[in-house]
Amino acid sequence: GAVVSQHPSRVICKSGTSVKIECRSLDFQATTMFWYRQFPKQSLMLMATSNEGSKATYEQGVEKDKFLINHASLTLSTLTVTSAHPEDSSFYICSARDPGHYGYTFGSGTRLTVV
Amino acid sequence: GENVEQHPSTLSVQEGDSAVIKCTYSDSASNYFPWYKQELGKGPQLIIDIRSNVGEKKDQRIAVTLNKTAKHFSLHITETQPEDSAVYFCAAIISNFGNEKLTFGTGTRLTIIP
Repeated sequence: GAVVSQHPSRVICKSGTSVKIECRSLDFQATTMFWYRQFPKQSLMLMATSNEGSKATYEQGVEKDKFLINHASLTLSTLTVTSAHPEDSSFYICSARDPGHYGYTFGSGTRLTVV
Repeated sequence: GENVEQHPSTLSVQEGDSAVIKCTYSDSASNYFPWYKQELGKGPQLIIDIRSNVGEKKDQRIAVTLNKTAKHFSLHITETQPEDSAVYFCAAIISNFGNEKLTFGTGTRLTIIP
C-alpha cells in the first residue's frame, strides 16, 4: 500500500531558530500533500495544502511566512517552521493521497519542542 | 465548509464486547468517509472507509455504516481486544480529485478493559 515517510520524528530546537520537516511519498507520486498540526488530546487541524510546482494554500489563521511549505517534486514536500517559539511546539503530521486510491495516507508525525 | 461531530469523546468497553463510535457531517456533498486509528505519538492509520454509494462495509471485526439521509456514519468494532485501545477519528471529504480537504471529527479515546 501507499507509504508516506516523515522525518524527523522528534526535534528539539531553541527559540528563534528554524526547523525543517520532510514528507516523502515512497511508492507513489503525490501532486498534493497536506500538513496538519495536532495539539495534545485534540484533533488534527489542517494547516496547508501543498501543491507540486506551485504555491501552497494556507488555511485561515495560519501564517504563511512562519510555516514555509515547499513541494519541489512529486515525492517530497517540506514544512519549515521559521523563527520558532515555544507556542509552536506541537505534533506536525503530513498526508498524501495515492492517485490510484481513495484513501489518504499519513506520515508518522514530527514532535516539535521549542525551548 | 464541512463540519464533523463525533461522539463519544471517551469510551471504555470490556474486552470482547463491541464498541460503537458515531459521527455526523453537515455537507451533503461529502462522498467519502474514512476512519483512522491513532496510537500515542504516531500518525493516523486508515482502518476502514466508505463511499457515499455504499451503505455498509465490513472488514473482519470492523464495520462502518453510512446513512446519507441523516448524514451520519458509525464505526463498529466487535470482539474488542486490548490492542484496539487508541484514539479513533472519523473524517469526511468531498472527493472530486480536485480541490479536496479532509475534515476530521474531534476523536474518541477508546479503552479496552482486560
